[in-house]
Amino acid sequence: DTAVSQTPKYLVTQMGNDKSIKCEQNLGHDTMYWYKQDSKKFLKIMFSYNNKELIINETVPNRFSPKSPDKAHLNLHINSLELGDSAVYFCASSQGAGAVGELFFGEGSRLTVL
Amino acid sequence: GQNIDQPTEMTATEGAIVQINCTYQTSGFNGLFWYQQHAGEAPTFLSYNVLDGLEEKGRFSSFLSRSKGYSYLLLKELQMKDSASYLCAVLDSNYQLIWGAGTKLIIKP
Repeated sequence: DTAVSQTPKYLVTQMGNDKSIKCEQNLGHDTMYWYKQDSKKFLKIMFSYNNKELIINETVPNRFSPKSPDKAHLNLHINSLELGDSAVYFCASSQGAGAVGELFFGEGSRLTVL
Repeated sequence: GQNIDQPTEMTATEGAIVQINCTYQTSGFNGLFWYQQHAGEAPTFLSYNVLDGLEEKGRFSSFLSRSKGYSYLLLKELQMKDSASYLCAVLDSNYQLIWGAGTKLIIKP
């Protein structure tokens, strides 16, 4: 009965490939996020959606494209993967627009680009 | 620019007390969060401070001084399971979370 679930947990792929990570939350939250955590452990916001509308789009390459079919799902598609994309990607959700309340994180998807 | 500073690593002994500091410089302030992250796991919420003072929650307490741009997380009666990274994050005037790099806490028996 996981609150925020993301798949896959591990992803190993070659440079140049395209991959997707899926995220679902069953908390009834309005806002969902994608974060990237690199080897230095900084959590960097990538995207935020509120009720399927994009509200934060940080400076990330346009190879990264989020898609929110409904407010319970936020998927991340990455085209033409590069070595520097290797990181752990966390999906998160919160009630209300903006990170005013507590964030609930998924378990993370560890992406390794070879 | 916006900045969150916290020590990279700290070591403490089981049963002792440890204080993890966080200083911040952000454009506006709408609260400060502390999250715990065990290795290979997701961050989990510990505390939220928006007013000055100390908030106590069991073995963990969090303090905030807005005038000093300073917070600390106090962990008492340390247990081995407290070994983790502790992330400080500030909600700025645009309600965006600015994260510190985290403090890795190592507990020794």
